[in-house]
Amino acid sequence: TQLLEQSPQFLSIQEGENLTVYCNSSSVFSSLQWYRQEPGEGPVLLVTVVTGGEVKKLKRLTFQFGDARKDSSLHITAAQPGDTGLYLCAGVPGAGSYQLTFGKGTKLSVIP
Amino acid sequence: DTGVSQNPRHKITKRGQNVTFRCDPISEHNRLYWYRQTLGQGPEFLTYFQNEAQLEKSRLLSDRFSAERPKGSFSTLEIQRTEQGDSAMYLCASSQQGGLVIDEQYFGPGTRLTVT
Repeated sequence: TQLLEQSPQFLSIQEGENLTVYCNSSSVFSSLQWYRQEPGEGPVLLVTVVTGGEVKKLKRLTFQFGDARKDSSLHITAAQPGDTGLYLCAGVPGAGSYQLTFGKGTKLSVIP
Repeated sequence: DTGVSQNPRHKITKRGQNVTFRCDPISEHNRLYWYRQTLGQGPEFLTYFQNEAQLEKSRLLSDRFSAERPKGSFSTLEIQRTEQGDSAMYLCASSQQGGLVIDEQYFGPGTRLTVT
């Protein structure tokens, strides 16, 4: 079983602060995806990273895939209350498999 | 452009009853997935269809669970003789084969099942 561990589990910050959340595994993933989920709703895809060392930016969000494709990070600059939610990383373990393995998520609260 | 839809959004049932959920994927997507999410956990894979063929099933999918995608479009997930441990959010996702190195899966809003 390939596990994805996310940290921190909970994060509460003031509006305007920066933050980084992490997604780590001892196994190699062919790709990693980041989702944001709000209570009572399904996860919404934010980004997919495929290449080791890849960095992708989505407005104030910066995603990085580790060189060895075992870890990823999400950095948010100048957090806003609208960023509040559960951030999930999910990976596809290898070629020929299509099931996503999810971490438990980081629950982010941005206080106005 | 409509996303993935799921019905019903909420279902309350008594232990021992059967329930059925429906998922309508994004229209051009040929792959469809079911996941289950319990409180404080990330979604867990249950099963996957490519067109009408069910290609992967998790060990989580006990004999009481059955999924179908008869015409390669919508899918149903049935749970027979429900147990309290089946209470969870049931999520459906769809993707299009061949887009990228991997398929990007798009999720529906989920069906929240409560077994009393």
